[in-house]
Amino acid sequence: QVQLQESGPGLVKPSETLSLTCTVSGGSISSYYWSWIRQPPGKGLEWIGYVSYSGSANYNPSLKSRVTISVDTSKNQFSLKLSSVTAADTAVYYCATSRSSTLVSFHMWGQGTMVTVSS
Amino acid sequence: AIRMTQSPSSFSASTGDRVTITCRASQGISSYLAWYQQKPEKAPKLLIYAASTLQSGVPSRFSGSGSGIDFNLTISCLQSEDFASYYCQQYYSNPYTFGQGTKLEIK
Repeated sequence: QVQLQESGPGLVKPSETLSLTCTVSGGSISSYYWSWIRQPPGKGLEWIGYVSYSGSANYNPSLKSRVTISVDTSKNQFSLKLSSVTAADTAVYYCATSRSSTLVSFHMWGQGTMVTVSS
Repeated sequence: AIRMTQSPSSFSASTGDRVTITCRASQGISSYLAWYQQKPEKAPKLLIYAASTLQSGVPSRFSGSGSGIDFNLTISCLQSEDFASYYCQQYYSNPYTFGQGTKLEIK
């Protein structure tokens, strides 16, 4: 049973870069597609982007200029970097997986990690 | 971006009720639709994908229908553990967008 676990700082200063890592256990990252999704407090869900096991990435156009998602198959991890953050980036960040680049429904999720942007 | 609109935003029901939540896409998305359940402080859980395919391990009281623009999630006989928020999500095109959510509360 594949499990996902997010890790990273819970507090980031405005204008800095948010960096999170998702560790995949119980299975290989060398399959499926690996996404980041966020949820501001009390609000809905926003897909940020995904990366394939080969490193090919696809991003939400609204965030594309600030986002980088990468994969490290040797560590069974994938990562999110979001630059120039503001208070609007405060959210619970989830990592999740989908079966393919066309079946982008998320059948497995991490527990989520809260990131607050504040000075 | 394709906008997903759910209705109602919230409602109350009783254990044993049959309930239906509706999701409408701003343009046709064929059957590229998923439904999720989210409980407080928890990650969403996939219930249905491809509009009507039940995810493995999800109880059969959950069902999905629709294609094109209009979709439904039906819970045939509400159980206590079903009181939660529900989200639809389209994966027809990037960005993959979610509905605003429907909160199902106990009457």
